[in-house]
Amino acid sequence: DADVTQTPRNRITKTGKRIMLECSQTKGHDRMYWYRQDPGLGLRLIYYSFDVKDINKGEISDGYSVSRQAQAKFSLSLESAIPNQTALYFCATSDVTSGNTDTQYFGPGTRLTVL
Amino acid sequence: GQSLEQPSEVTAVEGAIVQINCTYQTSGFYGLSWYQQHDGGAPTFLSYNGLDGLEETGRFSSFLSRSDSYGYLLLQELQMKDSASYFCALSRASGTYKYIFGTGTRLKVLA
Repeated sequence: DADVTQTPRNRITKTGKRIMLECSQTKGHDRMYWYRQDPGLGLRLIYYSFDVKDINKGEISDGYSVSRQAQAKFSLSLESAIPNQTALYFCATSDVTSGNTDTQYFGPGTRLTVL
Repeated sequence: GQSLEQPSEVTAVEGAIVQINCTYQTSGFYGLSWYQQHDGGAPTFLSYNGLDGLEETGRFSSFLSRSDSYGYLLLQELQMKDSASYFCALSRASGTYKYIFGTGTRLKVLA
């Protein structure tokens, strides 16, 4: 079984709709992240959470919100989707107890299309 | 601001050695990481340099020089399955936390 899972894997929606992307992990890591990747570009950090009570904005948080429901669950919401939010979204985790605290372990990604 | 620059594309033949460079414009970071991403897949961790010098992991090696603001990933004995995109990444050690990925290098391995 995958350590980091994301649902849905693909989603097509219309402008103005509310969308929630979910991420679950069985790695026992405290830190979780949401990234977006646009074609030909690297990954950009949207939000991150170092534990259940800690939520922080990343580089491109406008238009997004998150919820850390438990250590293992971190959800990303688009309150009112717009076409330029069409992208590949990745959830990731990292382990603060390891020597390299920031090694990111990624989920399989969610391909979101906003029409 | 912070940025990590990589060549956009590199082409090499099977069995060859290829070096993918990463130059950055930031200071105060923990270390430089490398990730591999196949088309349609998720990035996967390859290597990490917390200190200057060379780290070797099988066919892959990574190097960091903080004084030169430069690092590279070295892939030896190239195989067709190494065709993928490769990203360098670093995290800031001061101020607001940031985990920053480079622009990515698409490696094409030819038979």
